[in-house]
Amino acid sequence: GENVEQHPSTLSVQEGDSAVIKCTYSDSASNYFPWYKQELGKGPQLIIDIRSNVGEKKDQRIAVTLNKTAKHFSLHITETQPEDSAVYFCAATYTGNQFYFGTGTSLTVIP
Amino acid sequence: DAGVIQSPRHEVTEMGQEVTLRCKPISGHNSLFWYRQTMMRGLELLIYFNNNVPIDDSGMPEDRFSAKMPNASFSTLKIQPSEPRDSAVYFCASSLVQGGAGELFFGEGSRLTVL
Repeated sequence: GENVEQHPSTLSVQEGDSAVIKCTYSDSASNYFPWYKQELGKGPQLIIDIRSNVGEKKDQRIAVTLNKTAKHFSLHITETQPEDSAVYFCAATYTGNQFYFGTGTSLTVIP
Repeated sequence: DAGVIQSPRHEVTEMGQEVTLRCKPISGHNSLFWYRQTMMRGLELLIYFNNNVPIDDSGMPEDRFSAKMPNASFSTLKIQPSEPRDSAVYFCASSLVQGGAGELFFGEGSRLTVL
């Protein structure tokens, strides 16, 4: 089955700096790679996703890059703000399959 | 849409008691997932359904756990008998699979404490 690894497990940045979280996957059949943000006491929420037919996707301060050859994808958050503090999860899947999640990254943005 | 609705939000019970967690997926979604989240093990998939049919229950810890989806708008996760190590947050999520994997929508979770 799929194996998703996520690094780092914790990340602290100064407000305004950038944050980068990296994930690798093992199953070449995976073609959908979402990123979820989980705030305290809430369920994870999708913040951005990418499909295997594109290499990069941006949404305001958030971007995701995908390298299918190397089987890794990354989340980039620019100009971080205190409200970006949360746990972030990457995942990999393909149609009809379960979602395989990484172990999460706890991001703290220091004001 | 109201999103994925889970109940109860919090449950405190004693070891040996039966626990039933409930989930109403988003209308029209055809996949439903039950996850368990703990600090030690992160997000673990317990079971998922496609079109009300269980597809993979290999994540269900043991026979004490069972899940049903009698129709497209309701699912239950039952633990009988419950044990302290079952204490966790249980999430239900639903997704629309149509021409490709789609966004997974999570409920707010059910926090279970077994004393």
